Amino acid sequence: AQKITQTQPGMFVQEKEAVTLDCTYDTSDPSYGLFWYKQPSSGEMIFLIYQGSYDQQNATEGRYSLNFQKARKSANLVISASQLGDSAMYFCAMRAEYGNKLVFGAGTILRVKS
Amino acid sequence: GAGVSQSPSNKVTEKGKDVELRCDPISGHTALYWYRQSLGQGLEFLIYFQGNSAPDKSGLPSDRFSAERTGGSVSTLTIQRTQQEDSAVYLCASSQGLAGAGRYNEQFFGPGTRLTVL
Repeated sequence: AQKITQTQPGMFVQEKEAVTLDCTYDTSDPSYGLFWYKQPSSGEMIFLIYQGSYDQQNATEGRYSLNFQKARKSANLVISASQLGDSAMYFCAMRAEYGNKLVFGAGTILRVKS
Repeated sequence: GAGVSQSPSNKVTEKGKDVELRCDPISGHTALYWYRQSLGQGLEFLIYFQGNSAPDKSGLPSDRFSAERTGGSVSTLTIQRTQQEDSAVYLCASSQGLAGAGRYNEQFFGPGTRLTVL
């Protein structure tokens, strides 16, 4: 079975600072994918970044980067230069390489302060 | 192009009534998923369709829940004899194809249906 753990229920960050959102996972699948989604107060789920378990380099997408430590089974999201619009709920999720469903963590609420 | 759409956006019903929630996936997406998000919680998988078939129904919480998909497109999630614990946001997502097909096989989510059972 797959499990995602997000231990930070809520985080604050000052505008323009960087912030790291933690995610650890557990799986017995040899190959899998890790995802981060953003959910603003409007409720939509916005895909941010993807990391494959066999990817050699950490994923980056603009201000988002994923600190992937396979041995530690962690996939932390780093947001650089935080903006007020980054205030939202953030979910870490995983999917087995040949699976289908996403397994989500409980989420972290991020609040960016001006 | 158009994203995933869901209707209604909000549904208030009385305990014991049946409800139907609709999802229109992105055109051409063969995979469709239903998730449930209870207040302050993460998303919980309900069911997965590939075409009109549902190879994974493992997340449906009880036999009061059922779903179908027709024409490889629209899907309907039906909850019979609703209970207060069914109150949640029901999210639908679609993706291009088979799991593992492509690096991302990213799931695109709809805006959700907020169900309130009184």
